[in-house]
Order: sequence, then C-alpha cells, then structure tokens
Amino acid sequence: ETGVTQTPRHLVMGMTNKKSLKCEQHLGHNAMYWYKQSAKKPLELMFVYNFKEQTENNSVPSRFSPECPNSSHLFLHLHTLQPEDSALYLCASSRTWAGQETQYFGPGTRLLVL
Amino acid sequence: AQSVTQPDIHITVSEGASLELRCNYSYGATPYLFWYVQSPGQGLQLLLKYFSGDTLVQGIKGFEAEFKRSQSSFNLRKPSVHWSDAAEYFCAVGDSGGGADGLTFGKGTHLIIQP
Repeated sequence: ETGVTQTPRHLVMGMTNKKSLKCEQHLGHNAMYWYKQSAKKPLELMFVYNFKEQTENNSVPSRFSPECPNSSHLFLHLHTLQPEDSALYLCASSRTWAGQETQYFGPGTRLLVL
Repeated sequence: AQSVTQPDIHITVSEGASLELRCNYSYGATPYLFWYVQSPGQGLQLLLKYFSGDTLVQGIKGFEAEFKRSQSSFNLRKPSVHWSDAAEYFCAVGDSGGGADGLTFGKGTHLIIQP
C-alpha cells in the first residue's frame, strides 16, 4: 500500500500534444513534490508545494506547468514537450516540507515523447 | 549546495553474501540522510533514515546504515542478501534548513544478485 497514486502509469505523446499527469496522496500530508527520473541521471526535483502553495521551481521549462488544487492532489500539465523530456515522472508527498521528513513516492508515470 | 555521490553504478553479490553500498555526501551542516530502494516499475521506498542520535540506524528488510561524519559517509549494509533485494538503491540528503530543496539524490547503485 503506497498511499500515493499516479495516473496514467504510461503515456506516449507527440510534441504538439497537451496532456496531464495526476498524483493523489491518501496520507494526509501537506507537502507534495514532482521529480523527474532520467536514465543515468539523479532524480531531479522539479516542483515543491507546501499547503497548496508552490515553494520551489527548479528552473523547469515552462512547457511543464504544475497545479495543486488541494493538499491531496497534484497535477503536471504538459504541452509542446521535447523528446528529451521522456523520463519517469515521480510524485511524492511528506507530512511537512522539513528536510527530515520521509517522502513517500508514487509508482511514477513513464512518459515517452515522440 | 548539497550533493550525494554513490561511486558504484553496479554491484553484483551472491545470494547469502554480505552487502555494502557506499554513499558520500557534501553538506555544510549536520545532514538528514536517507536510503531508498526502487524495484523495477515501482516508485521509491524508504529503507532507513538518519537525522540525529545513534549513528547506526536500522531499517526495514534487514538493512542498516552507519553515519560517519569524519568520512562524510552513510554506507548501507546487509549481512545476507536475498534474491528479492535486487533493485536500484538511492542515497539522498535532505535540507536541514527547510524543505525548499526537497531531497538531493545520488545517481543510484544497481544491485544484481547472483544465485
């Protein structure tokens, strides 16, 4: 039981498409995160939300647009992506955004951009 | 800025043998340190973490790790591995100044178990 779900699990899209990734956490947490996992690279933090407010945007291109309507849901809207954006996108949540808090991860969405 | 180095990209261990995965970090203050495991097609699962107290921490699935400040290391160990331990292992450091940086991860170590 992961407590963090992500949909879809797999997504193939063309460079002109618009799609959205969804993340939902059932743990009562207040912080949520998007990470990008590419082959042979460390996980990259993309966005952080704390109590629905975006607190971090690590120089992510504007073709990625996050949305956090409430503390349980997090979206990543995608448009005009590039092939190098193909990766595993992981959502995580934690009780608070303090550095010692355990982050709980979803299974990820495997994205392929053609 | 904090950073994490996992020097071994791949490690092969025979089933039943002992295991040590290396992790070195760079951080100005006392770090928060984590080990996560990722099985194929899965997200990351926490094995153990350290942020204060006893420098030897016990985790799930029989894993332990030791924080050594003098060596800036947080190596993961298991006395006897099982075939189900085959996975990707990530060391991470958390920002003690707040959560804005999330977790900084190493590149991971791919563990292969030989029968």
